[in-house]
Amino acid sequence: QQQVKQSPQSLIVQKGGISIINCAYENTAFDYFPWYQQFPGKGPALLIAIRPDVSEKKEGRFTISFNKSAKQFSLHIMDSQPGDSATYFCAAPSNSGYALNFGKGTSLLVTP
Amino acid sequence: DARVTQTPRHKVTEMGQEVTMRCQPILGHNTVFWYRQTMMQGLELLAYFRNRAPLDDSGMPKDRFSAEMPDATLATLKIQPSEPRDSAVYFCASGFRAGTGGLGPEGYTFGSGTRLTVV
Repeated sequence: QQQVKQSPQSLIVQKGGISIINCAYENTAFDYFPWYQQFPGKGPALLIAIRPDVSEKKEGRFTISFNKSAKQFSLHIMDSQPGDSATYFCAAPSNSGYALNFGKGTSLLVTP
Repeated sequence: DARVTQTPRHKVTEMGQEVTMRCQPILGHNTVFWYRQTMMQGLELLAYFRNRAPLDDSGMPKDRFSAEMPDATLATLKIQPSEPRDSAVYFCASGFRAGTGGLGPEGYTFGSGTRLTVV
């Protein structure tokens, strides 16, 4: 099963700051790399995703940066807000291409 | 908003009992997954189906776990007999994949999960 390594495990950021979470994956022939956001008691929800034909994708305050040669991608949250406090998971397609393998998650706390 | 519905939301059972978790995927989605979430292991893929056919269940302990999709509106995950180490949150997710790839931009949608406690 493809390994997906995510760091850091936890992150504390002040309101208005930039949160950065990193993810590394192994070989994949497939082309979809999402970030999911999970609040306590809820299921993970798709936040933003990128296909590696582009190096960056931005949606509002959330940006994915993708480095295909290094097999790494990262999530940047600009102007972080207390409402962004949640657990964030990166994912990469499994070897079959159908399933997603998830990183272990990053617990983000944005302080007021 | 279309949603994946999981029942029950919570289940407490005694060791050795059978547990059945149910999932109603989003109408029109052709790919259904079961994941298990624990603090130690994170989100682990247990099994998945495409067009109701099981594609991979290598993540499941086969002696006690079974996953089925009796029709397009229902996926089930059974544990028999249950053990304390099965305590976790079990998530169902669904999505639409066209052909041999082509995951849509909406990705996979997760349900709210079933929190299982085996005592």
